[in-house]
Amino acid sequence: KQEVTQIPAALSVPEGENLVLNCSFTDSAIYNLQWFRQDPGKGLTSLLLIQSSQREQTSGRLNASLDKSSGRSTLYIAASQPGDSATYLCAVRGAGSYQLTFGKGTKLSVIP
Amino acid sequence: DTEVTQTPKHLVMGMTNKKSLKCEQHMGHRAMYWYKQKAKKPPELMFVYSYEKLSINESVPSRFSPECPNSSLLNLHLHALQPEDSALYLCASRLTSGSGLSYNEQFFGPGTRLTVL
Repeated sequence: KQEVTQIPAALSVPEGENLVLNCSFTDSAIYNLQWFRQDPGKGLTSLLLIQSSQREQTSGRLNASLDKSSGRSTLYIAASQPGDSATYLCAVRGAGSYQLTFGKGTKLSVIP
Repeated sequence: DTEVTQTPKHLVMGMTNKKSLKCEQHMGHRAMYWYKQKAKKPPELMFVYSYEKLSINESVPSRFSPECPNSSLLNLHLHALQPEDSALYLCASRLTSGSGLSYNEQFFGPGTRLTVL
């Protein structure tokens, strides 16, 4: 059974810092990995999706990498802003599966 | 139209009530999902519909009854719920075919906050 772990559970940084969120998964037979953002009490906003054959994806200040063989992904946020404060969830779709397996998320606070 | 909409945003119901949650998308997505999310927990998959047919039911109690009347609409009918069913209910959709990455990406709605008294 796939298990997804996100470290740290919470992170507080001053505005302007670059930061890295980590995601690890136990079964490397994945189809893709998706990073989401969730604001309190709200739905999930898709940030980046990486196919299993890819190494990284970029969108604006966000860069996500994938090392399938080691079961790891990172989300890099450059020049953090208070508006980036949210919970970031990593989710893995298994090969041949419709389902996403989610990590428990990292709660990010960017202090002005 | 590039979004998933859910109604109502908030719902309070008693344990004897019958209510329905509605999810709609007009992106041509043919896979639609219901998730349940408790506070400070990740979303848990409940149901998956693919081409309007139920393909996955994650052992969800029968007091939750999904329905997919057409390719744009997904309902979740609620009956005789328990207080522990109070949660954020999220709908998501995915394009099931096509080139590039877009058909793999799940798009989520804003959710319905359900409180069962």
